[in-house]
Amino acid sequence: SAVISQKPSRDICQRGTSLTIQCQVDSQVTMMFWYRQQPGQSLTLIATANQGSEATYESGFVIDKFPISRPNLTFSTLTVSNMSPEDSSIYLCSVGTGTSYGYTFGSGTRLTVV
Amino acid sequence: GQQVMQIPQYQHVQEGEDFTTYCNSSTTLSNIQWYKQRPGGHPVFLIQLVKSGEVKKQKRLTFQFGEAKKNSSLHITATQTTDVGTYFCAGGEAGTALIFGKGTTLSVSS
Repeated sequence: SAVISQKPSRDICQRGTSLTIQCQVDSQVTMMFWYRQQPGQSLTLIATANQGSEATYESGFVIDKFPISRPNLTFSTLTVSNMSPEDSSIYLCSVGTGTSYGYTFGSGTRLTVV
Repeated sequence: GQQVMQIPQYQHVQEGEDFTTYCNSSTTLSNIQWYKQRPGGHPVFLIQLVKSGEVKKQKRLTFQFGEAKKNSSLHITATQTTDVGTYFCAGGEAGTALIFGKGTTLSVSS
């Protein structure tokens, strides 16, 4: 299965600023997925990132707030823009590398907005 | 859209007792996956079920996929403290994002 390096692991940010989260995969993957997980809650899909095309966002998430880049088949970034305390959450990237191995998740970015 | 419900939300057991979590989908699933998330960790893949009525075992864990492919269960026999965490079921078409259930958080006291 794939190995994902996600950075940063945690950050404390001032409201109104932006944070960019990076995910590097050790193999080429067609699609990468970005999730948000509120403390003690389930995972909510933010968007699907395909290389060479714009990301597809789920209802309630917009590109202006969560711009995503996917410059190649092993890398993606998610930016949380103009942050407010409501954006405090854990953000995870994920890839699927074959049905037998399920989906692999990055270790997550724990974001606190103050 | 597809929804995946999971019960119970929380379960506390004494070490050695059995544990079961149930997952139900509003639509027929092509497959269902189960993940475990330890406190402070990220979800880790446990297993995927694809066939109607499929049963798979991993040591003390037994996974079932319903005949109609709309429900699934995870049963842990004789729980241990290492089983602590949140167990998520997730459904999705191949190559698409997973839709997660709300998860069942298991605590085990020794």
